[in-house]
Order: sequence, then structure tokens, then C-alpha cells
Amino acid sequence: EVMLVESGGGLVKPGGSLKLSCAASGFTFSSYAMSWVRQTPEKRLEWVATISSGGSYTYYPDSVKGRFTISRDNAKNTLYLQMSSLRSEDTAMYYCARTSGITFDYWGQGTTLTVSS
Amino acid sequence: QIVLTQSPAIMSASPGEKVTITCSASSSVSYMHWFQQKPGTSPKLWIYSTSNLASGVPARFSGSGSGTSYSLTISRMEAEDAATYYCQQRSSYPHTFGGGTKLEIK
Repeated sequence: EVMLVESGGGLVKPGGSLKLSCAASGFTFSSYAMSWVRQTPEKRLEWVATISSGGSYTYYPDSVKGRFTISRDNAKNTLYLQMSSLRSEDTAMYYCARTSGITFDYWGQGTTLTVSS
Repeated sequence: QIVLTQSPAIMSASPGEKVTITCSASSSVSYMHWFQQKPGTSPKLWIYSTSNLASGVPARFSGSGSGTSYSLTISRMEAEDAATYYCQQRSSYPHTFGGGTKLEIK
């Protein structure tokens, strides 16, 4: 069974930093690209980042480029999202998602980030 | 970026009723994907590559479309289908989602 378990969310002040983790199991982690997708309090879904299976390639939308960094440790079956210069508009539930060649085929249960002073 | 507009935003249907949700793209996309989300849970892949049902999805669901116009159809509404449905494109970066259609049971 594919399982993705996110952790690391919390309350952060504007301008602060935080690192999210996603522990994967039930599939060959190193064979899949992985992504982070967030859901705002208004329930809007936004793609945040994707990393290739080997970690060599990363992709971001302009809204987080230069502030967020996706990475992975295939030996630990873990995906990460380092977030810095956080803004109130980054407040959301953050999901990690297995990324097949087609789309996001499995999602974790999410971890919540709140950016507020 | 490609903007996906779903309609309607909210709808209700009676058991047995046919339901159609549409997703309009601001530019042509190769495929459309659909996700189902129920309250308190994460989104689930529901239909991929326009018309392929994900594992476990009932056959009363179908997807169709091309170019800038796509749709998700439920042939006969059941209570368990009440959820929010999101369309999504991966044809170009940034990958984008529609705003969602909340489907309620009457």
C-alpha cells in the first residue's frame, strides 16, 4: 500500500523558515518523481514543486521560486520542502504527492503551515 | 499560465440523476485529470488523461473532452459521489488546478 506521511508543519512568523518532510513507503521511492501541492484555506489547490526521481531536476511555479527548495533522500525514502521568506499567502495545507508520468497519483494526508505574526 | 475554470462551482443532484461538471482551459491542453476530495481528506486521483478511471472508481463515472473543453460525467448520482471535484492540467508549467466543483446530494 502506498503511504505518504507529511510532517513538520506549524506556525511561523512572516519572513521565517520551515522544513517539511514526507516519509514514503509501499513503493519504490527512487523510481518516482515527487511533488508538493498545497491547498489554501479557500480550498484552492496549487502546485508547489516537483523533483525528478533521481533528484537532479526540480521545477517550481514563480510564486515560490527562489524561496522554496524541494529535495529528496532516496536512501531514507523521504521528500523535503525547505521554505524560507514565508508570507501569509503561503498559509495552507501542504501535501506530498507521488508523481507518475501522468499526474499526482497518490497524496499524503497533509501538514498545515500557518504564517502569521 | 493556463487557467482552468470549472462550472458550476456548486451543484446538487438527486440520486439517480445524471451529473456533468465542465472544465474550461484558457489554452489548449493535451489531457485533463480529475481529483475527488471529501471533507477532511486529501484529494484522490479520480480520472486521468481525460477519460481513464483511476483504480477503484465506479464505472458510472466518465471523462471526455479535448483542446480547451473537458467534462466529468456521473451517469447516475449516488450518495457516495458527494464531494468536491477538481480538474488539473500538466500540459505546461505551471501545473494548474481548477477552482473545484462542490457536488452535493439532494
